[in-house]
Amino acid sequence: DVKVTQSSRYLVKRTGEKVFLECVQDMDHENMFWYRQDPGLGLRLIYFSYDVKMKEKGDIPEGYSVSREKKERFSLILESASTNQTSMYLCASSIPLQPQHFGDGTRLSIL
Amino acid sequence: LAKTTQPISMDSYEGQEVNITCSHNNIATNDYITWYQQFPSQGPRFIIQGYKTKVTNEVASLFIPADRKSSTLSLPRVSLSDTAVYYCLVGPDSGGSNYKLTFGKGTLLTVNP
Repeated sequence: DVKVTQSSRYLVKRTGEKVFLECVQDMDHENMFWYRQDPGLGLRLIYFSYDVKMKEKGDIPEGYSVSREKKERFSLILESASTNQTSMYLCASSIPLQPQHFGDGTRLSIL
Repeated sequence: LAKTTQPISMDSYEGQEVNITCSHNNIATNDYITWYQQFPSQGPRFIIQGYKTKVTNEVASLFIPADRKSSTLSLPRVSLSDTAVYYCLVGPDSGGSNYKLTFGKGTLLTVNP
């Protein structure tokens, strides 16, 4: 079974802090994704990566950056956290032509 | 990008067949249609994927008409544990630099006793 692990289930940070969300998958998947999920808005793609050191912007990349130094790990970075980035963050991975597998999410609160 | 439209919510009763329709008028030739299920405090879980006509697995069926501008997820004989949000996803699913996905806003299915 594919396992996508997000480093924290719950995280509380302060405005202006630099925040790192980590995601690791154990199935050697090429593709990895970061989404955020907000009530009434569904899932929105922030960034995705189709290979090590490769990244593409999703629909809402503003205020975020990503890092993929190793195939199994995809990090989402909030350079200077703001209250409007309070959300549920979901990581996913996949191989081409196969569905995405999701982690259980990180609920991030920015105070 | 193919935008998707789904009903915001649906109600049903245990034992009924439930059909959830997703519209995707701008679907591209190389796009697949994928449905996910999500329970509270969990990540979405893959249900079924198709390209055209009909696909069936042990959980659901997916009906896609010839023009592919819509699709219908069919859940046979639902139970209370099928209460969840169902997402329709349209995308090329092939990786590469043009790989972008569109999630619908999801349909909250409530199954009543």
